[in-house]
Amino acid sequence: EPEVTQTPSHQVTQMGQEVILRCVPISNHLYFYWYRQILGQKVEFLVSFYNNEISEKSEIFDDQFSVERPDGSNFTLKIRSTKLEDSAMYFCASNRKSSYEQYFGPGTRLTVT
Amino acid sequence: QKEVEQNSGPLSVPEGAIASLNCTYSDRVSQSFFWYRQYSGKSPELIMSIYSNGDKEDGRFTAQLNKASQYVSLLIRDSQPSDSATYLCAVSYGKLTFGQGTILTVHP
Repeated sequence: EPEVTQTPSHQVTQMGQEVILRCVPISNHLYFYWYRQILGQKVEFLVSFYNNEISEKSEIFDDQFSVERPDGSNFTLKIRSTKLEDSAMYFCASNRKSSYEQYFGPGTRLTVT
Repeated sequence: QKEVEQNSGPLSVPEGAIASLNCTYSDRVSQSFFWYRQYSGKSPELIMSIYSNGDKEDGRFTAQLNKASQYVSLLIRDSQPSDSATYLCAVSYGKLTFGQGTILTVHP
């Protein structure tokens, strides 16, 4: 069964550094999302992406964040200058055009020191 | 502000019992509702979706939706220790808005 994959599984970085989190959505899915979950808190929406452009973003998704689909399979989230409060699990999700069911990848644990 | 509320629990049930998980949402426009299961340190796993009023059954799971009351529930029949997890209610407005999650513990 196709799955969303994410790399790396764990990223440790120093405050102020740039990080890129990578996702490969399910191959026939057209809508892509990033969510994050700070330890002990709710899963929060960051951004949705369709047809090579952002369709919606949350207040969290400020100018320090960007997303890109550099090729036909990868979907990336870049944080330009990480802050301590960016430490969280970051989940990529995707769904088909004909369905609202979103499937999540295993996540990347980002630790900012 | 669209809100999704769940009782955080923990909810503890004996093995073989029915676990009942509840969720309310604030926005009447919502059309799509989901239950995800999340094991500690893992990602949300979709277990049920429901779009219209009434019940939807899938194996040991039954989702119930009442749009007039803005209420969604999940029943787990014949609960097993492996069902112990956090259950997340999510409402779709395109993006998913999640509740805090209910921690379920099934004890032998």
